[in-house]
Amino acid sequence: QKEVEQNSGPLSVPEGAIASLNCTYSDRGSQSFFWYRQYSGKSPELIMFIYSNGDKEDGRFTAQLNKASQYVSLLIRDSQPSDSATYLCAVNSRTDKLIFGTGTRLQVFP
Amino acid sequence: ETGVTQTPRHLVMGMTNKKSLKCEQHLGHNAMYWYKQSAKKPLELMFVYSLEERVENNSVPSRFSPECPNSSHLFLHLHTLQPEDSALYLCASSQGRGVSQPQHFGDGTRLSIL
Repeated sequence: QKEVEQNSGPLSVPEGAIASLNCTYSDRGSQSFFWYRQYSGKSPELIMFIYSNGDKEDGRFTAQLNKASQYVSLLIRDSQPSDSATYLCAVNSRTDKLIFGTGTRLQVFP
Repeated sequence: ETGVTQTPRHLVMGMTNKKSLKCEQHLGHNAMYWYKQSAKKPLELMFVYSLEERVENNSVPSRFSPECPNSSHLFLHLHTLQPEDSALYLCASSQGRGVSQPQHFGDGTRLSIL
């Protein structure tokens, strides 16, 4: 089992809809969870991070953690074509490293 | 502008060449990282420096040699690379090296080995 798993996509949603991106992790002791957005040919850009103490909302973005099922979600409300990118999930490991998933490609069509 | 600048943006080199990648961060961070990003694979951590001391070497071949002269600069020296080393090399920095600290990435160097 991979340490951090994401569906590679593409996930296609219409403009204005809610995009839901999921990430599962294997280390039950993980406590830090990060979402990065990466446009083609560009660097990963931090969007949100949450700790094991709860969910977080920032503008159109909400990060949710389900510790029992070991997955973390990123919801993007009112999706825009400019949100089209690859979204990387990263989780801390018990060896104190960040482990990244392979990313989910999101396509928002007008 | 991410606050982390990498040069060059693109590099093509032969297997017998020696070259260096440079990273500079303007965020006042004290930890710096090198990652490798290959197609269809997750980011792979290569090296971690904290307060200019290497604290992580993630089983990286010796043909990759990092250098951190101060907390703002990080280099990756390359020599006798292999075709499978072709990838995007990303530098990142954070305030402290605990994984609770968000890492900020540069735009990367796209490396192609002939």
